[in-house]
Amino acid sequence: GEDVEQSLFLSVREGDSSVINCTYTDSSSTYLYWYKQEPGAGLQLLTYIFSNMDMKQDQRLTVLLNKKDKHLSLRIADTQTGDSAIYFCAESIKAGRRALTFGSGTRLQVQP
Amino acid sequence: GAVVSQHPSWVICKSGTSVKIECRSLDFQATTMFWYRQFPKQSLMLMATSNEGSKATYEQGVEKDKFLINHASLTLSTLTVTSAHPEDSSFYICSAIHTSGSYEQYFGPGTRLTVT
Repeated sequence: GEDVEQSLFLSVREGDSSVINCTYTDSSSTYLYWYKQEPGAGLQLLTYIFSNMDMKQDQRLTVLLNKKDKHLSLRIADTQTGDSAIYFCAESIKAGRRALTFGSGTRLQVQP
Repeated sequence: GAVVSQHPSWVICKSGTSVKIECRSLDFQATTMFWYRQFPKQSLMLMATSNEGSKATYEQGVEKDKFLINHASLTLSTLTVTSAHPEDSSFYICSAIHTSGSYEQYFGPGTRLTVT
C-alpha cells in the first residue's frame, strides 16, 4: 500500500535554510512532488522529481531523493516569512494518470 | 496557463440540503479530474476519480450515493453533496490532468463547505 509520512512542524529564522523531510513506502513511485498550501487556499506545485533522479534544484529549492531509503527532502534556501505555509509531499505511482497520495503536511513557521 | 477554478469558493448550507460544487479547467481539456477532501489541519484524502463520459471511481469508504460526481465535459466536473450533514463540513479540492498526459495535476483553489 501507499503511505507517506512527514514531520508536523518546523520553525526556522528568516534567512536560514529549511529542510522538510518525507518518507514513503511504495517503491514503485514514479513521481514525487512538493506542494505548498497557504491558509485557506488550494495547493501550489513547487517542484517535482522523477524517481530515477537523485537531486533537482530550482532557484531556492533543492529536492533530494534517496530511493534506497525511500526518503525525500525539500530544502528552501534563504527562507523568507512568505514561505510560511504547509508543505505536502506526494507520490504518484503511474505518472500523471492517477491520484496523488499526500503526506500529512509539515507546517513551516518562519520567524522574522 | 493550466488554471483550474472551483465554484463556489465557500458555501454554508443547512442539514439535509444538497450542495453542488463545480470544478472547471479554464484553458485546457481534462479527461480526468480528482476530488479530494481536507479536514482542518489534516492532509488531502482522495474521494473519487472523475473520468469524462464515464462513471466516477470512488475510494473505499466514500458513499457514491451521497457524493454524486458528474464529468459531463472535458472542462467540467461537479461534486454534489446530497443530504448534507455537519460531518460533511470540509474543504473540498479538485484537480485536473491535461488530456495530453502531463505528469502534473493542476489543483483548484478549493471549496469550503460548512453544514449547519
